[in-house]
Amino acid sequence: DTEVTQTPKHLVMGMTNKKSLKCEQHMGHRAMYWYKQKAKKPPELMFVYSYEKLSINESVPSRFSPECPNSSLLNLHLHALQPEDSALYLCASSQDFGRASSYEQYFGPGTRLTVT
Amino acid sequence: GNSVTQMEGPVTLSEEAFLTINCTYTATGYPSLFWYVQYPGEGLQLLLKATKADDKGSNKGFEATYRKETTSFHLEKGSVQVSDSAVYFCALRAGANNLFFGTGTRLTVIP
Repeated sequence: DTEVTQTPKHLVMGMTNKKSLKCEQHMGHRAMYWYKQKAKKPPELMFVYSYEKLSINESVPSRFSPECPNSSLLNLHLHALQPEDSALYLCASSQDFGRASSYEQYFGPGTRLTVT
Repeated sequence: GNSVTQMEGPVTLSEEAFLTINCTYTATGYPSLFWYVQYPGEGLQLLLKATKADDKGSNKGFEATYRKETTSFHLEKGSVQVSDSAVYFCALRAGANNLFFGTGTRLTVIP
């Protein structure tokens, strides 16, 4: 099973709402990632979790709050978002995170978020 | 620093035409190189990869060779199909596991 699943597929939320995006993998991967992708742009890294600990936060605003409850799950909690946060949010996982550069990342299908 | 420069699109080809999408990179150390494909409305799928100089990655008729002397990883396919229409991203990873993506090239194949 080389699948990364993400829910929901689409999400529309108001600027005062609180919502969460979910990501799951059952490949035994110990690194998980959140990316943000705006239309016609490449994905931009937001967060990296390695062994359930936050390893990288790419200066993401605090209205985005990641959580890794266990090695298979990754959440992204959203609060007080702005319309410019509308984007495709992609989750990815890899076997490990670190200097061994052969670990490929597997991406989920993404959650398309619209903030109104 | 690490960066990827990718051929600007969009690219429009007729079915069975030859495809080349250029990709060059700048990296510290010895990067691994990847091509990802994104079909409309979907996430990214790994298409192929190469982890050291002169390696050739191949998958589904696509090929790319890691050329250290020209710092390039051009994507090629001998005969494209309508189903190949997608956005193609070149990416590198050097050191830690961060991926650096190019800007993406949109390919449209017409029957």
